[in-house]
Amino acid sequence: AQSVTQPDIHITVSEGASLELRCNYSYGATPYLFWYVQSPGQGLQLLLKYFSGDTLVQGIKGFEAEFKRSQSSFNLRKPSVHWSDAAEYFCAVGAISNDYKLSFGAGTTVTVRA
Amino acid sequence: DAGVTQSPTHLIKTRGQQVTLRCSPKSGHDTVSWYQQALGQGPQFIFQYYEEEERQRGNFPDRFSGHQFPNYSSELNVNALLLGDSALYLCASSLKTGGYNEQFFGPGTRLTVL
Repeated sequence: AQSVTQPDIHITVSEGASLELRCNYSYGATPYLFWYVQSPGQGLQLLLKYFSGDTLVQGIKGFEAEFKRSQSSFNLRKPSVHWSDAAEYFCAVGAISNDYKLSFGAGTTVTVRA
Repeated sequence: DAGVTQSPTHLIKTRGQQVTLRCSPKSGHDTVSWYQQALGQGPQFIFQYYEEEERQRGNFPDRFSGHQFPNYSSELNVNALLLGDSALYLCASSLKTGGYNEQFFGPGTRLTVL
């Protein structure tokens, strides 16, 4: 079975500072990994995804994530946070074997202080 | 181009009642997936519809059922509502091509069961 753990429930960061959100996954084969963002009253928006190849993937809004197989991790980073980045972030894993049915982590809430 | 739309936005029901939630997929999409997001949790996969049939199902009881119409829109029905069914219900649409296709999420329907 596939599963995702996001160890940090809530992170507060100052505007302009860097941000890193942790994600650990459990899956027997090569996982397909995703990061989504959810703003209040909005649906989930895909930030980036990893399927294969280069382990550092670039996404929208200046986000990037690095896949580390040895650590079963897929951490999300942003060098300089903007106030508009305040939202909830979800890591998810999918598999081609089940038609990319997504299993989500519990999410990390990001608060940006001025 | 309208994205995924869901109705209603909010809904309040009492225990034991039945509810129907509706989803219109993004234009050109033929597959609809439903997720339940309880407060403080990540979305949990309920089921997926394609060609008017349920193709995959998550770990949800038979009280949860669905339907897909010829125009690809979908309904989620929940019978004998429990307090624990209170959640944000998300619909996601995609185009089935045999490979990965991004799931686009709607804003959700907030269901409160009293």
